[in-house]
Amino acid sequence: SQTIHQWPATLVQPVGSPLSLECTVEGTSNPNLYWYRQAAGRGLQLLFYSVGIGQISSEVPQNLSASRPQDRQFILSSKKLLLSDSGFYLCAWTRDSYNEQFFGPGTRLTVL
Amino acid sequence: AQTVTQSQPEMSVQEAETVTLSCTYDTSESDYYLFWYKQPPSRQMILVIRQEAYKQQNATENRFSVNFQKAAKSFSLKISDSQLGDAAMYFCAYRNNNNDMRFGAGTRLTVKP
Repeated sequence: SQTIHQWPATLVQPVGSPLSLECTVEGTSNPNLYWYRQAAGRGLQLLFYSVGIGQISSEVPQNLSASRPQDRQFILSSKKLLLSDSGFYLCAWTRDSYNEQFFGPGTRLTVL
Repeated sequence: AQTVTQSQPEMSVQEAETVTLSCTYDTSESDYYLFWYKQPPSRQMILVIRQEAYKQQNATENRFSVNFQKAAKSFSLKISDSQLGDAAMYFCAYRNNNNDMRFGAGTRLTVKP
């Protein structure tokens, strides 16, 4: 069966520090991968998605970037965090365009 | 651009009763998919039910069913025999064939014992 992992689960970082959140999927190959951000009490905002290694599409201009160095690994990064980057970050995967997304457990990021 | 609207920020239901959560969406496409996700306090997103736009029959999963009105672009979720464990945030989501997935703002459901 397929599983999706995210780490760390929680993170507290000072403004201006770098960020690296990791997401990995097991039990499948060539998944579509997604990064979402969820502000407190709000819905999900799609940040990035990837249909293959090295292929990244960005949905909104922002302080963040994403990379996919391996087939089942998706990384969310920032060189300098802003206060507005605080939130709950969710990684998701799907087999193709026709199926639902499966979500990881999320990372709660607090920028102070 | 596709948008998903959930007009009910909060809903409340008595245990064992039925509740309906509303969702409307805007799209110019004819082929797409609709989903309801549940997010309990753990914040894990859990798929509740899905509906393919080309199917006229409303999807059903045990106590959960949808009322899909394609012409009206409406996709409501009905929860029958509500249980305490149903309390959560519920998100309606739209997805087309180009990896474009949009979520509504969510409805917080409270279940009263």
